[in-house]
Amino acid sequence: DQQVKQNSPSLSVQEGRISILNCDYTNSMFDYFLWYKKYPAEGPTFLISISSIKDKNEDGRFTVFLNKSAKHLSLHIVPSQPGDSAVYFCAASARGSGNTGKLIFGQGTTLQVKP
Amino acid sequence: DAGITQSPRHKVTETGTPVTLRCHQTENHRYMYWYRQDPGHGLRLIHYSYGVKDTDKGEVSDGYSVSRSKTEDFLLTLESATSSQTSVYFCAITSSLDPMGNEQFFGPGTRLTVL
Repeated sequence: DQQVKQNSPSLSVQEGRISILNCDYTNSMFDYFLWYKKYPAEGPTFLISISSIKDKNEDGRFTVFLNKSAKHLSLHIVPSQPGDSAVYFCAASARGSGNTGKLIFGQGTTLQVKP
Repeated sequence: DAGITQSPRHKVTETGTPVTLRCHQTENHRYMYWYRQDPGHGLRLIHYSYGVKDTDKGEVSDGYSVSRSKTEDFLLTLESATSSQTSVYFCAITSSLDPMGNEQFFGPGTRLTVL
């Protein structure tokens, strides 16, 4: 049972345009969400996160939106740059009592930004 | 960057042989995690540790064991490797279960091939 889903395996956008990566989750106990970026032959690197008490978090060119009623979050990259080409993973965590820091990851979306 | 190293970085082994992967951190962080990354599955948690000698299972723990005798080292052992354990293995750490976030920092990964 996939609790965190990224239904688009790949996305291609033109440099300078907006990239929108989507993620859906099923477990209503999740209260913290993260996005990671991964280049080939490297470990994932943390990009941005959002708590369930917010619906938006922004960090430079990256913005994450959370729609709790739809159990959906998205990552917006504006403007997209060729260096953003990577695999993006969505992850979720339930930080209630007994929090162990475990993250549940989606399958990943490969973003290609064309010059 | 978090001080996390993994060894070996690449390994090819034969079915039925034991394999041990090592994760070493220089951050003195309490929590450590082992994930495997496979196409179509994203990252899946194998085992995690919340302190020296304190470990617990993740979602795909069958066929794996772990040990943590020192804060800085977290070992993942495949007692008898199978071809289904061919994967890329990532170690991650997090400093605490700070209510502000559960960001994990990942090592560079170990690519394991079981023939």
